[in-house]
Amino acid sequence: DAGVTQSPTHLIKTRGQQVTLRCSPKSGHDTVSWYQQALGQGPQFIFQYYEEEERQRGNFPDRFSGHQFPNYSSELNVNALLLGDSALYLCASSLPGLNQETQYFGPGTRLLVL
Amino acid sequence: RKEVEQDPGPFNVPEGATVAFNCTYSNSASQSFFWYRQDCRKEPKLLMSVYSSGNEDGRFTAQLNRASQYISLLIRDSKLSDSATYLCVVPRGPNTDKLIFGTGTRLQVFP
Repeated sequence: DAGVTQSPTHLIKTRGQQVTLRCSPKSGHDTVSWYQQALGQGPQFIFQYYEEEERQRGNFPDRFSGHQFPNYSSELNVNALLLGDSALYLCASSLPGLNQETQYFGPGTRLLVL
Repeated sequence: RKEVEQDPGPFNVPEGATVAFNCTYSNSASQSFFWYRQDCRKEPKLLMSVYSSGNEDGRFTAQLNRASQYISLLIRDSKLSDSATYLCVVPRGPNTDKLIFGTGTRLQVFP
């Protein structure tokens, strides 16, 4: 049973560019959440997708957008990259129902913006 | 007040020591709490869930004090492999799975 997978593992971009990160949830999970983790900080909630719609959103600008596909996989898009967007981007998936609060994280995508 | 606050550490302890981390939270409506472990350059992994006054799993004990709004994690008989960052996690509210993470407490166990 594959866990949460993310691609790519590492990415280098320059300011102003756009990036797309991908996530496949753990088998049987239908909810995907995205987090940004800057160096030395805890993960910060970006948004969550369920049934192909954004269900919750954290304090991130509209440059951060996402999508969920019918197979529950998800993408995170960041436009007009800033140096401060350099971070580890984590995807987490969770079970439907009462176990929603237990989230399983993928290995993350490390983004460096130059 | 931050939603979730932790002492960042680092805590440097010898093998076999007992170490405790505290975490305070601001949302009194929170019903469940979690400790995640994160190894260097890896993803966070769930260590323990706390839904009532506490939880124990082997050498690890988590305790909840709702009146004072803090959660603690106690590690007994520390092992070298316990070296990691421990993240205190609180859902934003009782009916949400939006998780709020503390900044983490770094533990380094030395021989």
